[in-house]
Amino acid sequence: AQSVTQPDIHITVSEGASLELRCNYSYGATPYLFWYVQSPGQGLQLLLKYFSGDTLVQGIKGFEAEFKRSQSSFNLRKPSVHWSDAAEYFCAVVPSGGSYIPTFGRGTSLIVHP
Amino acid sequence: SQTIHQWPATLVQPVGSPLSLECTVEGTSNPNLYWYRQAAGRGLQLLFYSVGIGQISSEVPQNLSASRPQDRQFILSSKKLLLSDSGFYLCAWRLGRSGNEQFFGPGTRLTVL
Repeated sequence: AQSVTQPDIHITVSEGASLELRCNYSYGATPYLFWYVQSPGQGLQLLLKYFSGDTLVQGIKGFEAEFKRSQSSFNLRKPSVHWSDAAEYFCAVVPSGGSYIPTFGRGTSLIVHP
Repeated sequence: SQTIHQWPATLVQPVGSPLSLECTVEGTSNPNLYWYRQAAGRGLQLLFYSVGIGQISSEVPQNLSASRPQDRQFILSSKKLLLSDSGFYLCAWRLGRSGNEQFFGPGTRLTVL
């Protein structure tokens, strides 16, 4: 079975600083990869996704992520964080074949200092 | 465009009482539907998913059940709530083609006292 690890439970950055959220997965083949964002008390919103092709994917709100097959990673980045980016971020993995059963990481809480 | 609704938004129930949470999707047909539970600091736990009317797959055995009486309606139920059922319940849908992302509802905050 696949697994997803988000090693950072909390990350604190200053507004305007760069950001990288880590995501590592365990799966026998290249899965479909997703990053979602969740504001307090709300549902999840898709930031970006990777299925195949270019390993650097662009998403909404200025986020990007890079798929590195050799490291089984799909890290999320943003060059300059805004206070409104404070939220919970989830990495998700879906097998590329068979039933669409997502596995989510435990999430990383982003705190932004002014 | 497609929208997903969940109700109620919040619910406080005593232990041992029944539960019914509803999720409906508009603007699409034959979606795959999912129920998740999110406990504080513990990510999303998939509870049930459905690929069609009357087709329910359970991922976690517990005192919850799910039903899909109509194509775009997904219901989460319990006959007797436990304290451990407290959490944030999220419904999601996706189209049945490989690779499509999920779209999440606003969630229901359930507190069992």
